Amino acid sequence: ILNVEQSPQSLHVQEGDSTNFTCSFPSSNFYALHWYRWETAKSPEALFVMTLNGDEKKKGRISATLNTKEGYSYLYIKGSQPEDSATYLCAFSSGAGSYQLTFGKGTKLSVIP
Amino acid sequence: SQTIHQWPATLVQPVGSPLSLECTVEGTSNPNLYWYRQAAGRGLQLLFYSVGIGQISSEVPQNLSASRPQDRQFILSSKKLLLSDSGFYLCAWSDGPRAIYFGEGSWLTVV
Repeated sequence: ILNVEQSPQSLHVQEGDSTNFTCSFPSSNFYALHWYRWETAKSPEALFVMTLNGDEKKKGRISATLNTKEGYSYLYIKGSQPEDSATYLCAFSSGAGSYQLTFGKGTKLSVIP
Repeated sequence: SQTIHQWPATLVQPVGSPLSLECTVEGTSNPNLYWYRQAAGRGLQLLFYSVGIGQISSEVPQNLSASRPQDRQFILSSKKLLLSDSGFYLCAWSDGPRAIYFGEGSWLTVV
């Protein structure tokens, strides 16, 4: 059983604050780490896919880092805006079989105007 | 371009009634197909995946079943729903290891 843990479970920040959250995953048999942004009643939106240790990805005010040796990834949001409010999911893949993703429970971010 | 559709978007079903959620993918062939569920307070759980017509793998024991009658069609079914089947169901597809794409989701409430 693969365990993907995300922390914190929920987070409230003021508009303009920067924030970050963590995803930890098994460090063995690593293939890829995904980050998704998920708004209630909508389809999860892919943010990043990272495969190499030390990878850093950036999309606007959002960035992510990856450490496959110790099994963690950080997602950073700079200058949070109310529209950033969503649940951020990370998912781990070992690449085995039919390419299955194991998801964490997500970090629910609420940005207060 | 590829698109994925699932329906219905919401449904309320009594305990013991049957269920059918449908998902179709357009613009690609022989995709890997998936059904995920999010129950209240829990993460996304993989229920079924399929690598081809008639090939279904189940990840968790449950009273749900899945079928893939056509290459780009994936159906989630139940003969008798339980209260614990309530949740948000997502169909997804992938054609490789780099990305997985989700449908719009279906909210199921069993009463």
